[in-house]
Amino acid sequence: DAGITQSPRYKITETGRQVTLMCHQTWSHSYMFWYRQDLGHGLRLIYYSAAADITDKGEVPDGYVVSRSKTENFPLTLESATRSQTSVYFCASTTSGGLTTQYFGPGTRLLVL
Amino acid sequence: AQSVAQPEDQVNVAEGNPLTVKCTYSVSGNPYLFWYVQYPNRGLQFLLKYITGDNLVKGSYGFEAEFNKSQTSFHLKKPSALVSDSALYFCAVVPNRDDKIIFGKGTRLHILP
Repeated sequence: DAGITQSPRYKITETGRQVTLMCHQTWSHSYMFWYRQDLGHGLRLIYYSAAADITDKGEVPDGYVVSRSKTENFPLTLESATRSQTSVYFCASTTSGGLTTQYFGPGTRLLVL
Repeated sequence: AQSVAQPEDQVNVAEGNPLTVKCTYSVSGNPYLFWYVQYPNRGLQFLLKYITGDNLVKGSYGFEAEFNKSQTSFHLKKPSALVSDSALYFCAVVPNRDDKIIFGKGTRLHILP
């Protein structure tokens, strides 16, 4: 089906483990984004990508790594998970820059114990 | 600093009554403004945006918003609320064309039957 998907939808891990969250879109959108959603903070941008092999930091990039080898995929890796990274993570995509509508995935709920 | 504020964490409205969800912004230059809605366990969905032109913008599900430059506001409105409008609403701003979008913290809207 066309759209933007995230996997897993739910993940429980332990402090210090590496975790990768997957994001896949079928529209061939150039731009992709990773956000985290926390109570009291709304959505905060972690990383974004303007095209394959082009990535840049957002507001809260520390502790996260991204890659974009293919236009349709934008995985987010927590290299050594911490409790403060417990959150809901959303991936989004759009055709071009800030003025175009972003399309969001369903989210991944991550719990770090 | 460029920012967007949603002064109310929660808004309660009786079904059938008009609703308003407030948003103010602080940016230099001419902002681009958005509203997104999030239903439970879902990603954000686009509602409407103001880029230029008419200050009154109409969007999905009967919602509209008015850009008020003098008051630096972009309040979301609907003439008659439905129980199904209950959700989390995010205002967002793109300060300049090439900037990344900045989301507010969200306002939870409860429509009471």
